Amino acid sequence: QVQLVESGGGVVQPGKSLRLSCAASGFAFSSYGIHWVRQAPGKGLEWVALIWFDGSKKYYANSVKGRFTISRDSSKVYLQMDGLRVDDTAVYYCAREISYASSWPAYWGQGTLVTVSP
Amino acid sequence: AIQMTQSPSSLSASVGDTVTITCRASQDIRKDLGWYQQKPGKAPKLLIFGASFLQTGVPSRFSGSGSGTDFTLTISSLQPEDFASYYCLQDNNYPWTFGQGTKVEIK
Repeated sequence: QVQLVESGGGVVQPGKSLRLSCAASGFAFSSYGIHWVRQAPGKGLEWVALIWFDGSKKYYANSVKGRFTISRDSSKVYLQMDGLRVDDTAVYYCAREISYASSWPAYWGQGTLVTVSP
Repeated sequence: AIQMTQSPSSLSASVGDTVTITCRASQDIRKDLGWYQQKPGKAPKLLIFGASFLQTGVPSRFSGSGSGTDFTLTISSLQPEDFASYYCLQDNNYPWTFGQGTKVEIK
């Protein structure tokens, strides 16, 4: 079955960098786009980024544009986070789109916690 | 970015009630709207996409409607497992944006 596993979270100081990974299995990875969505403690969901199935297009939330970079290889999607700020503290989820014809995030990982603290 | 405004932010209801949550977009998004359910400590779950299409495996007591700027999620005959937070998400335009969420609590 579809499985997504995030890793790479941790505690980091403001201004530093962190790279999250999303390992995929149970489906034809190269056929699907992958999203990153985050949730600050006690807050709502925030869409962060999307990379198309072939990596040809990438989209970002305004709050992370220019600081975060989404990429992919043959089995993982990455979120490179530079210039981290305290308000980037959140659980970060990766999610696979529902189908190659529809980008709705439908299959989710369990999330990885990123804490940005002085 | 398109702003999504959900209401109410929370509500109390009883098992068996019908619950309605609304989501308003700051501009016309056609039917490019989805609804998600999230329980504490868990990842979100897609319920509805394209404003009214039920995701596979989602009970038929969940339904969605609307187009343009005004959308509704209806839960008929609320069940104990439905007490959760609900979010709308627009995919009409990048960046995608979520509503701020609605928490459905037990009365």
